Order: sequence, then structure tokens, then C-alpha cells
Amino acid sequence: SYELTQPPSVSVSPGQTARIICSGDELPKQYGYWYQQKSGQAPVLVIFNDSERPSGIPERFSGSSSGTTVTLTISGVQAEDEADYYCQSADRSGNWVFGGGTKLSVL
Amino acid sequence: QVQLVQSGAEVKKPGASVKVSCKASGYPFTSSGISWVRQAPGQGLEWMGWMSTYNGNTKYAQKLQDRITMTADTSTSTAYMELRSLISDDTAIYYCARSPADYWGQGTLVIVSS
Repeated sequence: SYELTQPPSVSVSPGQTARIICSGDELPKQYGYWYQQKSGQAPVLVIFNDSERPSGIPERFSGSSSGTTVTLTISGVQAEDEADYYCQSADRSGNWVFGGGTKLSVL
Repeated sequence: QVQLVQSGAEVKKPGASVKVSCKASGYPFTSSGISWVRQAPGQGLEWMGWMSTYNGNTKYAQKLQDRITMTADTSTSTAYMELRSLISDDTAIYYCARSPADYWGQGTLVIVSS
């Protein structure tokens, strides 16, 4: 079955830039999405269609796509950005697939 | 504003069924599909399926397709997800989300235990 791969953890200091990369063979053909999930809360969409940002999401969140990877970049990381981040896309049949999640730690 | 409000927590015995509801407001219910996603304790997100609130078409995750049914009542703007033949591995928080997942419900905890 189709899989999306992302690192289990990323650590950055406040003010630095965090990048989380998600890889999958279908990503050149399917859009990538990113969700932020804080402890005990429902996920929140932070990036859709590879690089678009929903209203209300801070500008420090950005997304990009290149080949078989999509990347979530958080510029000027703040303590409140500490959370789990999940990438999501679709397989050839249109079924959603989630990556395993990346825990962002702000040191 | 867009809101998805889910039904309350459930405790079920193995072999039983559970039906979770998701009441939508703040937008035309039939303009967007509803997806269901679950999260086992300490684990990641798992897509369960999607349904069109416009025509009732459904798409289910292959591993669940024999046990899951998604329906919707357009008169009350409410989507439902029923999971049958529950096992302990079905213990999770179940979320509904407006496709393309820009708004999520608060989640419904389902515990399967004898």
C-alpha cells in the first residue's frame, strides 16, 4: 500500500527555521497537505495544495513541493508551534494517506 | 462560522457496533464532503473514508470496508459513521472533517473493552 514518510522528530531553537520533509511516490501527481496537532486537540490544516495557507494561519508557515517530496517550513519558530505535524496526500485511487507524523520540539 | 460538532464518548464491548454523529453548521451541508479519520492512543492519523453529502457516494479505506458505513441526513446537516464488529484495536478518537479537511470536529472517543 502507498506510504508517506516523514521524520519522527525535529528539534529547533526559538527563532530558527524548522523544515519537515514528507516523501511519497505519488506526490508529483497529488497535492500535499499539512496538519498541526497540539496535545489533546483536533488537527488543524496549516497548508493545502502543496503551498497554500488557509486564512488565519500565520505567514511563518509555508509549503513547497519538489519531485517526490513536499516540505513544511516554519520560519521564526515560536514556542507555540511545538506540536505534531502530519503530511497527507492521496494514492492513485484518491484514498487519503497520512504520514506517520513528526514531533516538533522547540528547545 | 463553520462548525462540526460530534456526539459524545462511547464505551462498547467487542463485537458491538458504534455510530458516531457529526452535525455541521455555518455552510451549505451538501457543498462539501465529509471525511472520517481516527487516531488510536499515542498513534498517528488514519483515514477511514469519505462520503459525498451531495449524492451519498462513499469511498472507504480497504481495511475497513467490510465493517464501515457512512451516511448523512441532509435535513439536519448531520453525517454519521457506523463501525461494526468492534475489536480492541478500534479504540481511538474518531474525527469528522469537512473535505478537504479545513474544518474538523472535536473528536469522539470510542473505547472497546470487555
